[in-house]
Amino acid sequence: GAVVSQHPSRVICKSGTSVKIECRSLDFQATTMFWYRQFPKQSLMLMATSNEGSKATYEQGVEKDKFLINHASLTLSTLTVTSAHPEDSSFYICSATRLAGGSSYEQYFGPGTRLTVT
Amino acid sequence: KQEVTQIPAALSVPEGENLVLNCSFTDSAIYNLQWFRQDPGKGLTSLLLIQSSQREQTSGRLNASLDKSSGRSTLYIAASQPGDSATYLCAVNLAGGGNKLTFGTGTQLKVEL
Repeated sequence: GAVVSQHPSRVICKSGTSVKIECRSLDFQATTMFWYRQFPKQSLMLMATSNEGSKATYEQGVEKDKFLINHASLTLSTLTVTSAHPEDSSFYICSATRLAGGSSYEQYFGPGTRLTVT
Repeated sequence: KQEVTQIPAALSVPEGENLVLNCSFTDSAIYNLQWFRQDPGKGLTSLLLIQSSQREQTSGRLNASLDKSSGRSTLYIAASQPGDSATYLCAVNLAGGGNKLTFGTGTQLKVEL
């Protein structure tokens, strides 16, 4: 159990266009999903926290108007990179949380989406 | 601000060796700590989760320990195999942090035949 999918796995787009990435929890409901980005040979950096039915909370330095997040249901969150530029090229990974015990949650990660902006 | 450091950054060992990966964190007020594995170009696979009240967790050839007071965790891999080659990441879930994970810098492991 606890499977998280992402779609697409890879996407190439032209500079100035927008790209939508989907994150789904397949066999559990996730009230909270997180979006990360990872540059080559670096660790994951949290971009935003996505809660079902409410506005996303962005980390410092992340432009909310550029990275639009929608969490429409307990199993789906989407990240839209608007007016993409080459510097937005990165590996984007989502995670979904499930109660692990007591008040502690465990995060399950999607397989990631490789975005290349040309 | 929570900072998570992993040592070593890279490690190369011959097949069959037992090895230890280290993770240290600056703020000991955590809910739990997770160890992940990441293969090149792939997402993260959760290996072990240790609650703040636990001292260790085991899964097959993996054993993770947690010393919350000293801000340290270790991942022990027994009888390493070439298939263990990957980047290993630890991440801490800070109490009162909204379940956000702070990731370590990672250890890139290569197990050679």
